[in-house]
This record gives sequence, structure tokens and C-alpha cells, in this order.
Amino acid sequence: SQQGEEDPQALSIQEGENATMNCSYKTSINNLQWYRQNSGRGLVHLILIRSNEREKHSGRLRVTLDTSKKSSSLLITASRAADTASYFCATDAGKAAGNKLTFGGGTRVLVKP
Amino acid sequence: EPEVTQTPSHQVTQMGQEVILRCVPISNHLYFYWYRQILGQKVEFLVSFYNNEISEKSEIFDDQFSVERPDGSNFTLKIRSTKLEDSAMYFCASGAGVGGYTFGSGTRLTVV
Repeated sequence: SQQGEEDPQALSIQEGENATMNCSYKTSINNLQWYRQNSGRGLVHLILIRSNEREKHSGRLRVTLDTSKKSSSLLITASRAADTASYFCATDAGKAAGNKLTFGGGTRVLVKP
Repeated sequence: EPEVTQTPSHQVTQMGQEVILRCVPISNHLYFYWYRQILGQKVEFLVSFYNNEISEKSEIFDDQFSVERPDGSNFTLKIRSTKLEDSAMYFCASGAGVGGYTFGSGTRLTVV
């Protein structure tokens, strides 16, 4: 698989349920970021977790990072219809790699009212 | 909250024509990027720009592409002689060097 692969590719849940998506990557990272993209729109930065962090919370979002497994998860609790979007993880390998982001293919989340 | 502004939001161009996509990054940011997303595919890195020069570029960023920061505020991506396969959303992003990046809302380029 390529750097920053999300799993599952698509997820359909009822409003109020939790949504969990995973991201795996291959190379060493400085940090990992999650972005949301509504259909045909721009990328919205959700949360950043550094390589020395294991868990981070922001509102209804919870992100974990396991650098030994090179994987991260994003949990959205108590989902709402407005959470319907594609979610991307992106890895930043640091200044030596130009601080560029390498994106995964995304998870399409549909929250049904 | 500061924003990255991209213009135009949608550009239609004939194959072989040159296009310039414009971006106004956040004013105190030092790192600037262009990414593209072909419909239904991943967001792909094109080029990063720091200290008035390209710091890294991908294989996609060939001689057809160029970037410029002409006046200290704008950051442009020029595509010479556009091809059909250049049709995509082009995103500009800026960052302070640490932490996350702020992306613009994108320019949808359609080459016909």
C-alpha cells in the first residue's frame, strides 16, 4: 500500500453513532494530520498529532497515533449529518522532506439523519 | 481567522493554452505549497516554496509548471501549454513551518 492509506474507503452510519477510520503509512513522520473535504470543496484542517504524541482530542474528534505500527485512527463521536464528507490523513516527514504532506486516498463518510 | 485565498475558483481553458492560478497565502507564513487533486483521486503534492525559491518538487512538476511569488503577497502557479490531463482541483497551502497548514478553497481547472 502507499503512504497514508485510509481504511475503510467508505463508511455509512446513522446520526448519533461513532465513526472510526484508520490510516497507515510507511515512512518515518514528524506529524500526522487529518483533513475533511466536503464534496468538490477545499481541505479543512481538523487535527495534528506529533510523532511523540499518542492521543489527541478536539471537540468530538479523537485521534490516536501508533508509530510502532505506523498507523493512526480518527474517531468522530456522536456523528451529525453535517459530518458527511471525505476524511484524509496526511503525513509530514519534516523539514528534511520539505514539510510536504503526503495524503491518503480518503474515507468517504455518509451520516444518515 | 486568516484564510488562504485562491482565484479564480473555476477556470476553463483550451488545450495548449497557458493558465495562471493565483493564491494569496496567510501573511506571516513562510512556506507555500501547491497540490492538485484529479477528480476522485488523492491529493498530490506538486511543489513547495520557501525563501523565494523552490524547496522541493514532485515528478508531476515538470517543465510545464512554474511558480512565482511576484510581489511578496501573491503566489502563482503557471501551467504552460495545458493538457487534458491537467484538469484537476489545484490547492494552494501555506504554513508557518510548524504545525498544520491552511489550504485555500481551490481552483477547479478544466482543460477542453
